[in-house]
Amino acid sequence: AQSVTQPDIHITVSEGASLELRCNYSYGATPYLFWYVQSPGQGLQLLLKYFSGDTLVQGIKGFEAEFKRSQSSFNLRKPSVHWSDAAEYFCAVGAGNNNDMRFGAGTRLTVKP
Amino acid sequence: EPEVTQTPSHQVTQMGQEVILRCVPISNHLYFYWYRQILGQKVEFLVSFYNNEISEKSEIFDDQFSVERPDGSNFTLKIRSTKLEDSAMYFCASSEAGGQGWYEQYFGPGTRLTVT
Repeated sequence: AQSVTQPDIHITVSEGASLELRCNYSYGATPYLFWYVQSPGQGLQLLLKYFSGDTLVQGIKGFEAEFKRSQSSFNLRKPSVHWSDAAEYFCAVGAGNNNDMRFGAGTRLTVKP
Repeated sequence: EPEVTQTPSHQVTQMGQEVILRCVPISNHLYFYWYRQILGQKVEFLVSFYNNEISEKSEIFDDQFSVERPDGSNFTLKIRSTKLEDSAMYFCASSEAGGQGWYEQYFGPGTRLTVT
């Protein structure tokens, strides 16, 4: 079964600094990979997804992620963080046979002024 | 833009009571899902539903839980005899298809269930 690991529980960055959130997955076949963002008290918003093709994917809000098969990773990046980016970020992996997703434990991002 | 809706936004119930959480998926979608998120923890898959039957369920989805599509628009999650540990945010999602390949899931805003 597929699984996801997000090694960082909490990250703090200064506004304007770059950001990288780590995600490692375990799945036997080519995975479908996702990053979701959850603001306090809110639902899940899809930031970006990787299905196939170009391993660098662009998402909303200036985020991008790179799929590295050799490292089983799908790290999320943003060159310059804004205070409004403070939220919980979840990486998820999907299996095509049943279309269900498995989420990582999440990384909470705090942005310092 | 079509969206998944969930009601109520917050449900408080006493331990041992039954609750029904309601979801209205996007109208042309065929696959439906429930996930839950215990406070401070990750989002966990509960069940997927297609063609009026469960497609897959996780180990969390035991006999206490059931799902139903009672009419052409609603998708419900019933929790019988609620326990304190059922307190969580429950998310409904839907996708236009499933099975082979991958189809994006659209999430509702969630129902916060509090069991006292």
